[in-house]
Formats: sequence, C-alpha cells, structure tokens
Amino acid sequence: DVKVTQSSRYLVKRTGEKVFLECVQDMDHENMFWYRQDPGLGLRLIYFSYDVKMKEKGDIPEGYSVSREKKERFSLILESASTNQTSMYLCASSFGQALLLNTEAFFGQGTRLTVV
Amino acid sequence: GENVEQHPSTLSVQEGDSAVIKCTYSDSASNYFPWYKQELGKRPQLIIDIRSNVGEKKDQRIAVTLNKTAKHFSLHITETQPEDSAVYFCAASTIGYQKVTFGTGTKLQVIP
Repeated sequence: DVKVTQSSRYLVKRTGEKVFLECVQDMDHENMFWYRQDPGLGLRLIYFSYDVKMKEKGDIPEGYSVSREKKERFSLILESASTNQTSMYLCASSFGQALLLNTEAFFGQGTRLTVV
Repeated sequence: GENVEQHPSTLSVQEGDSAVIKCTYSDSASNYFPWYKQELGKRPQLIIDIRSNVGEKKDQRIAVTLNKTAKHFSLHITETQPEDSAVYFCAASTIGYQKVTFGTGTKLQVIP
C-alpha cells in the first residue's frame, strides 16, 4: 500500500509565524505535489516537484515556498502565515518518468491549518 | 495554463438512479483525465481515468466519456448507492508533464 503521510492533521498558527508542513511518501515516487483545498474552489496546485531539489510553481505559489532535499520528503513553507492561508493542505505523490504515461496521484490525509 | 470547469457543484439523486458529472478543459494538449472521489474526512482517491486515445472507459457502475473535439469529459455512475455519496473531482494533465489541474468538485448525495 502506498503511504503518503503528512506530519500534522491539525495546526493552529499565529499571523506572521513561519509554518512548515511536512510530507513523506514511501513508494519512491519521483513526483510530489502540494495542493490547498477550499470550499467551492476544488484542489489548487501550490507547488510541485518532479525530482530532488527540483520544484515548479503551480497556480497559486504566492506566499509559499517548498523544499525537496530527499526524494521521499516534500515540505511546504509559509514564510509569514496570514489568515487567508487558513485552509486544508493536501500533499500527493505519483510515479513518473520522462515520457511515461501519467499515473495515479496518491494523497496524504491532509493538514487543516488555521491561522489566527 | 489549463483551466478545468466542473458542473454541477452539487447533485442529489435517488438511490438506484444515475448521476452524471461534466467537465470541460481549455488546453488542447491535455491528454490524461483522471477522476477522484473524496469521501467525507478522507483523502481523494482515483476511481477511473481516461487517456485521449479512447472515447469511453467503463469499470462496473462507473464510466467516463471523452470528447476531444469539444474538450469535455463526463463521469457516469449508474445504479447509485448511498456509498457513492462523496465529492468527485475531475482533472486534466498532459502526458510527460506532471502538473495536474483539478476541477472545483461535485458534491454527490445519494438519497436512500
């Protein structure tokens, strides 16, 4: 069974704090993703990574950064948390190589972040 | 970039009836279209996908159709059951490029 594990299920942080959300996958997947999920807006891609130390901006990268120092771990960083970053954050991973057909994305259980 | 629109946002059906969810996409280069189901409080999970070289794919009570010319694809669930109640997301991506764009989701309620 593929496992994508997010470090926290619930987090409450103060405005201006630096926040780290951690995600670990155990299937040696090349691709990892961070999404945020908000009612009526679906899943919006923040950043993704297709290899160690590689990252690409998604659709809503502003206010976020990421780090991928090891293949199995992908961290999302909120440099200075704001109330509009209160959301559910979902990490995902997938197997992928150049020219390979896209494959299933496996999601973590989500981190509900509240910024007060 | 790719834009995926999904309709309806909510859908209620009687148990045993069929449910249809529709999505449109904007990027003609998109060629992979997965559907994910997210039950309440759980993570999204893939239920079916289709690639642009086929027009329809079935898996038991679930089917997906794709119209490349019109750039739309649909999820069909027949003989709905209460356990089908969930939020369903369509998505689109391009093979060889790993970014996946999701629709806004459809909350399906199956009334017993």
